[in-house]
Amino acid sequence: DAGITQSPRHKVTETGTPVTLRCHQTENHRYMYWYRQDPGHGLRLIHYSYGVKDTDKGEVSDGYSVSRSKTEDFLLTLESATSSQTSVYFCAISERGLNEKLFFGSGTQLSVL
Amino acid sequence: QQQVKQSPQSLIVQKGGISIINCAYENTAFDYFPWYQQFPGKGPALLIAIRPDVSEKKEGRFTISFNKSAKQFSLHIMDSQPGDSATYFCAAKNYGGSQGNLIFGKGTKLSVKP
Repeated sequence: DAGITQSPRHKVTETGTPVTLRCHQTENHRYMYWYRQDPGHGLRLIHYSYGVKDTDKGEVSDGYSVSRSKTEDFLLTLESATSSQTSVYFCAISERGLNEKLFFGSGTQLSVL
Repeated sequence: QQQVKQSPQSLIVQKGGISIINCAYENTAFDYFPWYQQFPGKGPALLIAIRPDVSEKKEGRFTISFNKSAKQFSLHIMDSQPGDSATYFCAAKNYGGSQGNLIFGKGTKLSVKP
């Protein structure tokens, strides 16, 4: 998957607990993204980054925060997980331009009980 | 205006047949229309993309047809194979506002029967 590693691959957590998902890339691509995928909703952008320490919100950013301290790492944090955040989370990267030719990781299945 | 409407939700095609998936949009500022293919347990992967200055783009058995006046675009898979069984997402890039985010359709699950 284009040098993208997501961890963990699966996680079960309880409502109210903090959760951090990690995306690591070895491609040195400038742009990184976090999406969530839910049945009937397709892929929805949570947050994205256009450089180290440069991030912006996507269409479903409420309840999520991100950080990018190094080019290769993009972290997604759920400060206080809720059941509505049960989803498959995908990290993606792109090189040429914002939102062009995205390469996706294999995803993290998160269950919030 | 930000939506991309994709149909059908699911599609069953016989091996060797033509698979057709349609997408429609409202925002005339969209200027980039990719299709992504996703196999179970994997992330989506870019399949083919088109810009509105052409009406058709072909790569192997996969063709995008684009109708700017109707604000519609479609994916045609010729000689469909069981290995094409996957979920397909259309998307459009939004130039309105500051983000230029990709807006994805809700996906079409394609099953090609041998």
